[in-house]
Amino acid sequence: QQQVKQSPQSLIVQKGGISIINCAYENTAFDYFPWYQQFPGKGPALLIAIRPDVSEKKEGRFTISFNKSAKQFSLHIMDSQPGDSATYFCAAADSFKAAGNKLTFGGGTRVLVKP
Amino acid sequence: DAGVTQSPTHLIKTRGQQVTLRCSPKSGHDTVSWYQQALGQGPQFIFQYYEEEERQRGNFPDRFSGHQFPNYSSELNVNALLLGDSALYLCASSFRDRAGGYTFGSGTRLTVV
Repeated sequence: QQQVKQSPQSLIVQKGGISIINCAYENTAFDYFPWYQQFPGKGPALLIAIRPDVSEKKEGRFTISFNKSAKQFSLHIMDSQPGDSATYFCAAADSFKAAGNKLTFGGGTRVLVKP
Repeated sequence: DAGVTQSPTHLIKTRGQQVTLRCSPKSGHDTVSWYQQALGQGPQFIFQYYEEEERQRGNFPDRFSGHQFPNYSSELNVNALLLGDSALYLCASSFRDRAGGYTFGSGTRLTVV
């Protein structure tokens, strides 16, 4: 059962443009929503994370928007750079679960930033 | 500061064989989680170890087993390998069994032929 759905699967953006990736979740117990960046041959690295008590969080060129009622959240990459070319994963977790807090990942979005 | 260390980086095995993958957590971390990442897909949770016990398990068969040692390092064992077990196996460490603060290793690429 895929509990976190991510779209699009891939996107191409020009240097300086905005990349937007969307995710939707089903489990209302989820209360922690991180985004990970993964380069080929490497493990995922935490980019930015949000909890449902805020609707937006910004760190540098990366912004998460969160809509609790719609059970959706998105990542915006502003002023996209060629070095941002990577695969991005959204994830979700129930951080108050008694034990064993696993991350449930979306399917990933491959982003290519053209110079 | 050493991050999460996984070994080996690559491995080729034959169907039916057994394999052991190893993980050393980031300094200060005491919880290890294992994920399987098939090509072109998101990581799938296998299980998590905290205080040398399996705390939670994903939808994986009993062929997948693990262990955590007193120094917090961990092993993932897979028996009776299938072609479908070919994937990148990721180890992630964290402090306590919390989802926040995960640090992933670079993974072990397992190919089953």
